[in-house]
Amino acid sequence: KQEVTQIPAALSVPEGENLVLNCSFTDSAIYNLQWFRQDPGKGLTSLLLIQSSQREQTSGRLNASLDKSSGRSTLYIAASQPGDSATYLCAVRPPGFKTIFGAGTRLFVKA
Amino acid sequence: GAGVSQSPRYKVAKRGQDVALRCDPISGHVSLFWYQQALGQGPEFLTYFQNEAQLDKSGLPSDRFFAERPEGSVSTLKIQRTQQEDSAVYLCATIPGGDYEQYFGPGTRLTVT
Repeated sequence: KQEVTQIPAALSVPEGENLVLNCSFTDSAIYNLQWFRQDPGKGLTSLLLIQSSQREQTSGRLNASLDKSSGRSTLYIAASQPGDSATYLCAVRPPGFKTIFGAGTRLFVKA
Repeated sequence: GAGVSQSPRYKVAKRGQDVALRCDPISGHVSLFWYQQALGQGPEFLTYFQNEAQLDKSGLPSDRFFAERPEGSVSTLKIQRTQQEDSAVYLCATIPGGDYEQYFGPGTRLTVT
C-alpha cells in the first residue's frame, strides 16, 4: 500500500533563507509526483509536476527533485519570502487513478 | 470558466440530512477527482471519473456517499444521512486527461451538527 510522508510537519524560517521540504513514498511504481501549495481556507495550487521519467522540475524560485529508487522527493525554495507562507503538499499518482497525498508541511516565513 | 468551481462553498447540515455538492470542471477536462480533506490532513481520494464513467470509487467511505457525472462535465457528490464524521472539506480536481497536473477547485466546507 502506497504511503506518503512529509517531513518536517511544520517549519519557521526567517525571510531570505533557502529551505528544503521532504517527501517520501513507500512504493516506487508511480506515474508522477506533484507538489502543491494550500493557503488557509483555499483549494490547492499546483506548483510542480514531475513525471516518473524525470529527475527534476524548476519554476522560478522552486526546484523539485524526484528519486524513484529511494522513494524520495524534495522541494527546494530559494530566497524565501513571507508570501511563501502556506502548507505544502506532495502527492504521488500510482498506476490506476488514486492519488495519494502526504499530510503536508506548514511553512511560516518571518519578515 | 477559467478554473474549477465548486458550490456551495460552505454547507451546514443537521445530522441525518442529505447534501449535494457540485463541481464544475474546466471546460474540456476529461478526468475528474473528488477528495475529502480533514482538518490538518492531506486530501484523501474518494472517486474518479473519466468523462461520464466512474472508473474508481474505492475511496468512498460508505454506501451513504454517491457521485455522478451524467454528461461528462458537471459532477455531483451526494452524501445521504450525514454524520458528524462527514464534516470535512470536499475538493474536486480535474485534468485534461493522461498524466497531467491536477487543477483543484476551492472546495466545499461541510459541517454536520
